[in-house]
Parts: sequence; C-alpha cells; structure tokens
Amino acid sequence: QQPVQSPQAVILREGEDAVINCSSSKALYSVHWYRQKHGEAPVFLMILLKGGEQKGHDKISASFNEKKQQSSLYLTASQLSYSGTYFCGTEVIMNYGGATNKLIFGTGTLLAVQP
Amino acid sequence: DTEVTQTPKHLVMGMTNKKSLKCEQHMGHRAMYWYKQKAKKPPELMFVYSYEKLSINESVPSRFSPECPNSSLLNLHLHALQPEDSALYLCASSQGRQGKAGNTIYFGEGSWLTVV
Repeated sequence: QQPVQSPQAVILREGEDAVINCSSSKALYSVHWYRQKHGEAPVFLMILLKGGEQKGHDKISASFNEKKQQSSLYLTASQLSYSGTYFCGTEVIMNYGGATNKLIFGTGTLLAVQP
Repeated sequence: DTEVTQTPKHLVMGMTNKKSLKCEQHMGHRAMYWYKQKAKKPPELMFVYSYEKLSINESVPSRFSPECPNSSLLNLHLHALQPEDSALYLCASSQGRQGKAGNTIYFGEGSWLTVV
C-alpha cells in the first residue's frame, strides 16, 4: 500500500534540476508532496487531485498521471534550501462511520544540494 | 496561519514512567493525527481523531493511549514504553474531509522521545 519513490537519494549542484518519482500499486485519488529537513516536521508543498493535473510554485512543480498511478516532482535550478527528504503521500478514502481519510507516506527521497 | 504546536519538544523517560505528549491547533480543523517517525523512515500513522472521536487506530500497542479533550487538543499518553519506541512523534491536523480526496494535513514540529 505504501507508495514507492525513486530515486532513494540524489546529490545535486546548485542550479541543477532533479525529478522525484512516486508510484503506487493501488489507485491514486490524490498525491500530496512534503519536504522534511533534518530534525524538523514535514512541510506541505502541494496536492494534486486530478489525473493530468500539474501544479507549481516557484521552481518546484509536480504532475499526476492517474492512469499510471504515478506522480513526479520537478525541481528546477535547485537551491541550497531545497535540501531535505521529499515524501509523496496518498490518501486512503475512508467511507465508513465518519472516519477521516488517512495519508500514507511514500518511501522518501533524500535530496542534497551542494554549492 | 497553519500552526500546530506540540509540547514537549524533547522527552526522556524510563520504561516505568508515565508521561504525555500534547498537541494544539487553532485552525478550526476537525481531524487530528498522531504519526511516529523513526530515523530515515517516513512517518507512520498511529491514530486519527475525527470530530473528537477516535476513528482510526493502526493496531498501535496499548502502551500508547490517545485522548482528544476537544477539537483543538490532542494528547498521547505514554506508559511502560520500550527503548524501541524512541522516535519523533508528530501531531497533525486537517479539515477532516470524509469520503473524498483533498484533505491537506499540516504537521507540528514534533516531540523527540527517548526511552531509556
């Protein structure tokens, strides 16, 4: 049930681009992306709700391929501040008794940006 | 304002101690969560409260006992823990959507727990 991310780790120089992939063996209803710096809480980046949707903020964007059950996070012209572990998350829809959806995190991708 | 506050930030406890972790949010969210995160691993869901009722327990051992006194507060009571329970405990909240996707979850800074 846990989404699988690739690569597990990537090292970049400032200004380089990176792509992080998230794949699920089950249907995806939404994809959430978070970044977590060492010793800190995960920070919400964006959510994609529809197949084919693409979103972006500054130089970080993401796409969602619902049919392939995949999402990709694109980091362009990377900055030192982009370093951290990136997690995708998928919602499990709870259709009973007033239960709220739960978010299952992917395996994580460690991104290190060097000067 | 997307703030979830957790206390304490660090806690060291013996295996026979009883302690509690506390969490508070003032975003009007109706769902609150406890996640556990071990080093270099993704956060793992423990409990979900929806409208102040426990709606999900991910088969967590009874030495962890959650409590939701009201819609803004969430506690995690700890008793007779084991050293392997040492981890970062994350509280989170969301609007609490039910039945359809789009439920953004916001995390607190976490409480670092060490069991000795």
